[in-house]
Amino acid sequence: DTAVSQTPKYLVTQMGNDKSIKCEQNLGHDTMYWYKQDSKKFLKIMFSYNNKELIINETVPNRFSPKSPDKAHLNLHINSLELGDSAVYFCASSPPSGGPDTQYFGPGTRLTVL
Amino acid sequence: SQQGEEDPQALSIQEGENATMNCSYKTSINNLQWYRQNSGRGLVHLILIRSNEREKHSGRLRVTLDTSKKSSSLLITASRAADTASYFCATDAGGFQKLVFGTGTRLLVSP
Repeated sequence: DTAVSQTPKYLVTQMGNDKSIKCEQNLGHDTMYWYKQDSKKFLKIMFSYNNKELIINETVPNRFSPKSPDKAHLNLHINSLELGDSAVYFCASSPPSGGPDTQYFGPGTRLTVL
Repeated sequence: SQQGEEDPQALSIQEGENATMNCSYKTSINNLQWYRQNSGRGLVHLILIRSNEREKHSGRLRVTLDTSKKSSSLLITASRAADTASYFCATDAGGFQKLVFGTGTRLLVSP
């Protein structure tokens, strides 16, 4: 019954590798997001998709590429991983527009780049 | 930066006491939300207050909003050990569907 799920929960990899994180929501929401939370707990939006279309892209290096095969899924692919990419990545979703933007977060994926 | 600031950064209290945390933001908003993050978990929405509201309650939570001072406070009454978490404010200052989160307050409630 998980509303927003992410896989994997933990990801440890070497610099230079390419990795993907998957996100799925079963809430019927139209909009999905990726956030990055750094070691100081600072949470910053990276991308937002609405009905499979990219609507927010926040000065994220082009090594990061989101993909939304359908409105229930938003995956994040990262090329040529760097040490600074180590963080917790959260997926979130929100209901159709027309109301305040309450967001529902997944449990996070802790990425460690060695 | 549009990022909100929260204070205190950390707060340690005993069970049964009240906890108050504050959030300041920089630009005009339509609404402000508070989220809780338990250790190792995602954020959970607690309460939303609109810009035309001054106070809102939900169970043991009380939120105030002062748009003239661009600040909000979250009060947790009769705190419990289970309230131990980080608390974040978030505004729509970034634009539609673009929340801007504060720096967070880490609350520790000791039994």
